[in-house]
Amino acid sequence: EAGVTQSPTHLIKTRGQQVTLRCSPISGHTSVYWYQQALGLGLQFLLWYDEGEERNRGNFPPRFSGRQFPNYSSELNVNALELEDSALYLCASSLNSLGETQYFGPGTRLLVL
Amino acid sequence: GENVEQHPSTLSVQEGDSAVIKCTYSDSASNYFPWYKQELGKRPQLIIDIRSNVGEKKDQRIAVTLNKTAKHFSLHITETQPEDSAVYFCAASKPSGGSYIPTFGRGTSLIVHP
Repeated sequence: EAGVTQSPTHLIKTRGQQVTLRCSPISGHTSVYWYQQALGLGLQFLLWYDEGEERNRGNFPPRFSGRQFPNYSSELNVNALELEDSALYLCASSLNSLGETQYFGPGTRLLVL
Repeated sequence: GENVEQHPSTLSVQEGDSAVIKCTYSDSASNYFPWYKQELGKRPQLIIDIRSNVGEKKDQRIAVTLNKTAKHFSLHITETQPEDSAVYFCAASKPSGGSYIPTFGRGTSLIVHP
């Protein structure tokens, strides 16, 4: 069974640009979560999608947004990039909205210059 | 909201020794506590989890204990090996209004010296 996949693996952008990150959950999983892992800060919850809808979001500004497609894959969009957005962005999936266990993808490492 | 504190931030042990990582949480409604291991440059991987109706769970060299009254839970690794070196994250979560978002601790960097 394939795990959670993310693309791209690495990305370099400059301040003010926009970026789109992609995630494909494990087959059969309907919930997708996005986390930001900045150096030394652990995993910070960004967004949660289930059945195509945004269910919850963390304490991040509106320039962080996303969506979930009918096949349950998801995109994370970050507008007006700032230097402090440099981080590893991790996607995780769970079986459903009450699926306690989350399985993580390999992440996209974003560097903002 | 939930707040999870994890200690220590760094733990250095000799191969064969035991390692203990402790976490405390603030929300008594939290009822699911997973532990993740993240090796350098790799994704976090679930290594063990415990639910609030259980006080202890063991899987080979890894065990987790939960004290609901004191709102703390711990990861125990016995007979540590160099391949146990990684960052370990604890998390606490609960179902709430259809949401099941874990709150993570800030991680413990475990270094096992051969």
